[in-house]
Amino acid sequence: GEDVEQSLFLSVREGDSSVINCTYTDSSSTYLYWYKQEPGAGLQLLTYIFSNMDMKQDQRLTVLLNKKDKHLSLRIADTQTGDSAIYFCAESTSGTYKYIFGTGTRLKVLA
Amino acid sequence: DADVTQTPRNRITKTGKRIMLECSQTKGHDRMYWYRQDPGLGLQLIYYSFDVKDINKGEISDGYSVSRQAQAKFSLSLESAIPNQTALYFCATSEGADLGYTFGSGTRLTVV
Repeated sequence: GEDVEQSLFLSVREGDSSVINCTYTDSSSTYLYWYKQEPGAGLQLLTYIFSNMDMKQDQRLTVLLNKKDKHLSLRIADTQTGDSAIYFCAESTSGTYKYIFGTGTRLKVLA
Repeated sequence: DADVTQTPRNRITKTGKRIMLECSQTKGHDRMYWYRQDPGLGLQLIYYSFDVKDINKGEISDGYSVSRQAQAKFSLSLESAIPNQTALYFCATSEGADLGYTFGSGTRLTVV
């Protein structure tokens, strides 16, 4: 079946760039998403990319999509302590209800 | 007020008890979902509803039931709670699957 995989932990120093990676198996994926979950809160949609795009930039966030390798990444420039959270990758296929989430990557930003 | 409100935020219940988790939304979205989050497992879909008369099972519906009382309200029930249903439960809404979800803040349920 479809699967979305992420590494569980990432630690970076404040001011450095963070890169969170995700791989997925469903070649019919239409949209790919990044969500952020802060402690005690629900998931918040950060950004998404349509499958026919290679890159999307939104302020400090850059999403890169390699459709051939089914690899998605989220780069956070100038990482701040407020970026410490769990980041979830997710994919959906147009016309279906299905939304597959990764296991989440816990980002820890060291001051 | 939050767009998606879940009550209660935290609940401890005993094995065998019936419990209901409630979700209400002000987004005006037709689609509503219940997910369960366990550490290291990501989110798993329990039930979803595309409108008041359209309710569907997700990946892990056994032991759960739902009720869509109105467009804005979608409740999840555990008929007879068991300890392995201890988890964080999220309600979410969407205008369409491609447009991303709006999540509630979650209900942390502990079954002892």
